[in-house]
Amino acid sequence: AQSVTQLGSHVSVSEGALVLLRCNYSSSVPPYLFWYVQYPNQGLQLLLKYTSAATLVKGINGFEAEFKKSETSFHLTKPSAHMSDAAEYFCAVSDNIQGAQKLVFGQGTRLTINP
Amino acid sequence: EADIYQTPRYLVIGTGKKITLECSQTMGHDKMYWYQQDPGMELHLIHYSYGVNSTEKGDLSSESTVSRIRTEHFPLTLESARPSHTSQYLCASSAGLAVSEQFFGPGTRLTVL
Repeated sequence: AQSVTQLGSHVSVSEGALVLLRCNYSSSVPPYLFWYVQYPNQGLQLLLKYTSAATLVKGINGFEAEFKKSETSFHLTKPSAHMSDAAEYFCAVSDNIQGAQKLVFGQGTRLTINP
Repeated sequence: EADIYQTPRYLVIGTGKKITLECSQTMGHDKMYWYQQDPGMELHLIHYSYGVNSTEKGDLSSESTVSRIRTEHFPLTLESARPSHTSQYLCASSAGLAVSEQFFGPGTRLTVL
């Protein structure tokens, strides 16, 4: 079964600093990987996705993630944090079950931005 | 505008009541999903549907039931609510491609007293 581990349930960075949110996956087949963001009292919004094309994936709001098969990782980065980036971030791996795509989520990382 | 809607956004209800959480999408997506999310925790799939008249149980056992009579509508029902059902419920949908983005609704935060 596929699984996702997000290292660090809370990450705090200063405004303008590098954001690095870690995600490691476990999959017996080539994975499809996703990063979602959740703002308070809202649903999830897709930041970016990896579907076996380019290993460096660019997403919305200046985020990007690099797929590293040798490390089974898909870490999310942003060069310069903004106050509006404060949110909960979820990494997910896709498990295609009988035609219905099932997402397995990590436990989430809460990102806090310090002024 | 294509979107996915959930109502109500917040619901506080007493034990034993029957409730239905509504989810509708205007994107014409075949696949729809219900997730349960406790505060500060990951999402767990409780139900999904390939299309009309199709419903399946997800990873997390749930006492809720779902129906899919119309493509755009995927309601979730609890026949007799209990405090253990207190949680946030998120609905999502995706297109019929093998791997495609899931679009999420804003969620319903349910509190059972």
